[in-house]
Amino acid sequence: EAQVTQNPRYLITVTGKKLTVTCSQNMNHEYMSWYRQDPGLGLRQIYYSMNVEVTDKGDVPEGYKVSRKEKRNFPLILESPSPNQTSLYFCASLSTDTQYFGPGTRLTVL
Amino acid sequence: DQQVKQNSPSLSVQEGRISILNCDYTNSMFDYFLWYKKYPAEGPTFLISISSIKDKNEDGRFTVFLNKSAKHLSLHIVPSQPGDSAVYFCAASEYNFNKFYFGSGTKLNVKP
Repeated sequence: EAQVTQNPRYLITVTGKKLTVTCSQNMNHEYMSWYRQDPGLGLRQIYYSMNVEVTDKGDVPEGYKVSRKEKRNFPLILESPSPNQTSLYFCASLSTDTQYFGPGTRLTVL
Repeated sequence: DQQVKQNSPSLSVQEGRISILNCDYTNSMFDYFLWYKKYPAEGPTFLISISSIKDKNEDGRFTVFLNKSAKHLSLHIVPSQPGDSAVYFCAASEYNFNKFYFGSGTKLNVKP
């Protein structure tokens, strides 16, 4: 089954404790992206990657890092999380013109 | 400042009637527009798209209309069904599909 998976689905952490949210797709897509969803703001793009070793900033990259060492994986790294990064995070991969989204990771930073 | 706006946070429609969801954008470089549907606790799923060279695209009960001069697009659902109740996001991208910009969403409630 074609899918995008994210782990963990839920995470509560404390300010400053480094964390990684993993994302994996099994569709051999070159393009992958991370978004955050906040009330009243919709989805905002954090980072995207056009291919292995190629990443670029989206609209809200501050406080986040990504890496793309292999085509199927695109982890999102928060080196020093802060409470304003409490949000719902979605990973997506793109086929031609359609994005496929993962189920989401709800992150709470205390 | 948001480049894609959905000014109606919610919409309630009777089953069998038409649902019309609206979206406005500010960037004239946008070349491709998409609508996504999102149920609670799930990721958005692709619904329908339209290229800027067209003004209408239809897929079953779903039709998207694009008015480039007004920088406005709309999604029509006919007839509406209770299973259509969800949050609908419109999104836009330039021709290269690098960045995607989403609206804030409209929560559609279709009453039986």
